[in-house]
Amino acid sequence: AQSVTQLDSQVPVFEEAPVELRCNYSSSVSVYLFWYVQYPNQGLQLLLKYLSGSTLVKGINGFEAEFNKSQTSFHLRKPSVHISDTAEYFCAVTFSNDYKLSFGAGTTVTVRA
Amino acid sequence: DTAVSQTPKYLVTQMGNDKSIKCEQNLGHDTMYWYKQDSKKFLKIMFSYNNKELIINETVPNRFSPKSPDKAHLNLHINSLELGDSAVYFCASSQGTPGGRTQYFGPGTRLLVL
Repeated sequence: AQSVTQLDSQVPVFEEAPVELRCNYSSSVSVYLFWYVQYPNQGLQLLLKYLSGSTLVKGINGFEAEFNKSQTSFHLRKPSVHISDTAEYFCAVTFSNDYKLSFGAGTTVTVRA
Repeated sequence: DTAVSQTPKYLVTQMGNDKSIKCEQNLGHDTMYWYKQDSKKFLKIMFSYNNKELIINETVPNRFSPKSPDKAHLNLHINSLELGDSAVYFCASSQGTPGGRTQYFGPGTRLLVL
């Protein structure tokens, strides 16, 4: 069975500073990896996903993530955050014959002016 | 032009009552899901239907019963509500073979059991 660990529960960051959210996964088979964002009182929205190919994945709103198979990680980065990036961020994993998404516990990002 | 919609958005009810939450998607997807998000924001899959067939049924009390009348709708009925059922329930949908498909989420139904 696969599982996902988000290493930071809360990340405070100043506006225009860079941010990195860490995600590690464990699985004995190949996985597909996702980052979702949840703005306050809203549903989840896909930021980006890794299926195969280039290990650097670019998503919406200036976010990108790097898949590292040897370190079993899929960290999310943004070089310069805005106040509007304040949200909950979820890393999730699934594999090729599974409909189920397994989510990490989430990272709360609070951007301050 | 909402993709995945849920009704109601908020639900406040007494312990012991029975309630239903409805979900509709207009994306033409063939798979729908129910997730529960607890007070610590942890998300867990509850059920999934593919072409109206139940394909995921996690360890959920049998007071929870999903129903999919057609591919565009997935409802969740909860009997004998308990305090611990208070949570946000999200519906989602996806299309095609499993694995790498993006799941599209609804806005959530915030259930409070008093």
